[in-house]
Amino acid sequence: KAGVTQTPRYLIKTRGQQVTLSCSPISGHRSVSWYQQTPGQGLQFLFEYFSETQRNKGNFPGRFSGRQFSNSRSEMNVSTLELGDSALYLCASSLSLDQPQHFGDGTRLSIL
Amino acid sequence: AQSVTQLGSHVSVSEGALVLLRCNYSSSVPPYLFWYVQYPNQGLQLLLKYTSAATLVKGINGFEAEFKKSETSFHLTKPSAHMSDAAEYFCAVSRPGGYQKVTFGTGTKLQVIP
Repeated sequence: KAGVTQTPRYLIKTRGQQVTLSCSPISGHRSVSWYQQTPGQGLQFLFEYFSETQRNKGNFPGRFSGRQFSNSRSEMNVSTLELGDSALYLCASSLSLDQPQHFGDGTRLSIL
Repeated sequence: AQSVTQLGSHVSVSEGALVLLRCNYSSSVPPYLFWYVQYPNQGLQLLLKYTSAATLVKGINGFEAEFKKSETSFHLTKPSAHMSDAAEYFCAVSRPGGYQKVTFGTGTKLQVIP
């Protein structure tokens, strides 16, 4: 059974640009969550989708957005990138919102 | 609201010594509890889960955790540390059947000293 796939693995952008990250969940999983991880702030919750609906949202500015498609694949978008957006972005999928999450290896985003 | 508190952001143990990583939870209903491990440049990997069956839960890599309702704790242990156990460990809580997100602790970095 294939795991959670995140693309791309590494990304370099400059300030002011926008970026789209992709996440393919484990087959059959309907819940997808996104996290930002930095050395200073640790693991921070961005948002969570279940059956194409955003169920929960973390405390991030509106520059961070996401969506989930009918096949459960998810994308997150960050507009007007700032240096502080440099981080490892992790996607996780699960069968339902209360079940164990399965993580991808993340996308390492670097802002120059 | 649910939450978990991990005591100690860094823990050091000698190779072969007992590993004890502490996690206390807060939940208004009997929770589901999880431990995850993260190696450098990788995502989190589920070590074990408690979902209201046996209170002593065994996971991968020789780890286990015991759910203690009276102490609201779910500490992670391993009898003998191995160098390969050096990683960051996260405790997490969720509400069974609910629509609240899984809540993660702040993580504990485990260093194993040869």
